[in-house]
Amino acid sequence: DGGITQSPKYLFRKEGQNVTLSCEQNLNHDAMYWYRQDPGQGLRLIYYSQIVNDFQKGDIAEGYSVSREKKESFPLTVTSAQKNPTAFYLCASSRVGFRETQYFGPGTRLLVL
Amino acid sequence: AQKVTQAQTEISVVEKEDVTLDCVYETRDTTYYLFWYKQPPSGELVFLIRRNSFDEQNEISGRYSWNFQKSTSSFNFTITASQVVDSAVYFCALSEAGDSGYSTLTFGKGTMLLVSP
Repeated sequence: DGGITQSPKYLFRKEGQNVTLSCEQNLNHDAMYWYRQDPGQGLRLIYYSQIVNDFQKGDIAEGYSVSREKKESFPLTVTSAQKNPTAFYLCASSRVGFRETQYFGPGTRLLVL
Repeated sequence: AQKVTQAQTEISVVEKEDVTLDCVYETRDTTYYLFWYKQPPSGELVFLIRRNSFDEQNEISGRYSWNFQKSTSSFNFTITASQVVDSAVYFCALSEAGDSGYSTLTFGKGTMLLVSP
């Protein structure tokens, strides 16, 4: 079955630590996205990529980094520079183009110890 | 200014009631797409519908229906005979072509629907 997987489901970060969230898709989509969701808020775009080895900052990229070495994978690193990382992180993928539907993974909940 | 406004933060209904979730959007583009997603308690966003700006026909899918009115920039979602399983957060989203050639989705803040037995 095609889909998007995210791991881990829960992640705990200590102060000053970098952590990496995994996102993999087997939908053969070129575009991938990372969103952050805070309680009572909509989704805010962190980074997106429309092709391997290329990505763009979204609305709230500070304190985050990404890589896109493979079409299927788009890992997100939450760096120590992100002072308020506690949130629900959602990964999505789609075909390229503004008319295309984005499909979402199950999400990773990041908590700070 | 918000591009997508979902003014209803939370709605509570009793099972079998009909409920309408409002979505108002703002764009200067003539071609754009509108989406609705459902987020159940598990957290994953589930795609419900996509409409383009040139198709103003209402759409019905089972108990779900959507009313798109360009004149009022609204894309409202109605659930008929609500069920407990409809309890979730519902998001409306707008996709525009964008100036840079890249397109992204702008989400509203969501409406939490609670359906009680």
